[in-house]
Amino acid sequence: DAEITQSPRHKITETGRQVTLACHQTWNHNNMFWYRQDLGHGLRLIHYSYGVHDTNKGEVSDGYSVSRSNTEDLPLTLESAASSQTSVYFCASSRGDDTDTQYFGPGTRLTVL
Amino acid sequence: KNEVEQSPQNLTAQEGEFITINCSYSVGISALHWLQQHPGGGIVSLFMLSSGKKKHGRLIATINIQEKHSSLHITASHPRDSAVYICAVPLEGGGADGLTFGKGTHLIIQP
Repeated sequence: DAEITQSPRHKITETGRQVTLACHQTWNHNNMFWYRQDLGHGLRLIHYSYGVHDTNKGEVSDGYSVSRSNTEDLPLTLESAASSQTSVYFCASSRGDDTDTQYFGPGTRLTVL
Repeated sequence: KNEVEQSPQNLTAQEGEFITINCSYSVGISALHWLQQHPGGGIVSLFMLSSGKKKHGRLIATINIQEKHSSLHITASHPRDSAVYICAVPLEGGGADGLTFGKGTHLIIQP
């Protein structure tokens, strides 16, 4: 069965370290998204990609980067982790544009100390 | 940028009750999404609709494009319906810029 996975599921890191969160989907979807979820804010879009080598900034992209070298993967990198980036991160994918159903990964809980 | 408001933020009801969750948005859209997040944290898509009404089991979603408003209804509610329900619309109204989300409605159904 097609799926979308994230790793690690839990991560504790220190301020200033570089962290990469992995997202892998086997739906063969063109579109992939990264969101963060925080109490009081709900889900917010960080970065998104509409295909290989395409990346776009979302609402809260400062301090994050992504790259898309193949259809299946969209890793999210925190260049220098900050305590404000402690959050739950969700990856999602969809076949087409925002009128298509998005399928969410299980989430990664990141704590920056 | 689209702004999404959901109400109520929290709702506790008894098993069997009819539940309504509301969502309003500020910019005309191509489609609206209803999502469900269970206590374990997983998020699943319930509906994507651009007009009228959709039904799946005991869940019904409606949208009024002119009024920029959508409702999610649950008939004959059950404790397993306890979850956070989230409304989402395209960030800029159109179809190419990702989604923006309401803060969610935390629903508890008591037996």
